[in-house]
Amino acid sequence: QQQVKQSPQSLIVQKGGISIINCAYENTAFDYFPWYQQFPGKGPALLIAIRPDVSEKKEGRFTISFNKSAKQFSLHIMDSQPGDSATYFCAAPKIGGNTPLVFGKGTRLSVIA
Amino acid sequence: DAGITQSPRHKVTETGTPVTLRCHQTENHRYMYWYRQDPGHGLRLIHYSYGVKDTDKGEVSDGYSVSRSKTEDFLLTLESATSSQTSVYFCAISEGSGNTGELFFGEGSRLTVL
Repeated sequence: QQQVKQSPQSLIVQKGGISIINCAYENTAFDYFPWYQQFPGKGPALLIAIRPDVSEKKEGRFTISFNKSAKQFSLHIMDSQPGDSATYFCAAPKIGGNTPLVFGKGTRLSVIA
Repeated sequence: DAGITQSPRHKVTETGTPVTLRCHQTENHRYMYWYRQDPGHGLRLIHYSYGVKDTDKGEVSDGYSVSRSKTEDFLLTLESATSSQTSVYFCAISEGSGNTGELFFGEGSRLTVL
């Protein structure tokens, strides 16, 4: 079964620091890699996604870096803020038709002042 | 916010009883999904639907069934609930196939099976 391996499981970062979360995938139908953000008691919501035409995408303080040869992609949160404290999930398209995304197990980020 | 309503939001039930969770959308999106979220396991797909009466299994479908008789409603049924099905269940929708487009999630339904 296709897997997406996400690390670390939990992360504590000082306010203003850089948070880095990594994902590795085995195989994928095509290159589309989203990150979802989930606050306690809420459903996940799309944060940022990258498609195959670029190796990096930046939106504000959030950046996705994609390394196709290594089958890895990562989320960087610059100038991390307490409001960024949440659980982050990476995902990748599953091989085979229009089957849904496969999600990583999640990273719980705590940004402390 | 995407118009997704899950009901009930919280439910406590006993082992062996049937349970139905409902997902209702007002977006007229074609695709609907049921995920469960458990500590250490992330989000795991139970079943999904790609149209009215068109459904398929996900990675953890055993013990669950689904039905979609209308575009707006997707029901998840636990025929005989077990303690291992204690979880938070999320419904999601997407306009196109979710593997290249955005999934919109509901607020979740917390189920406790005693």
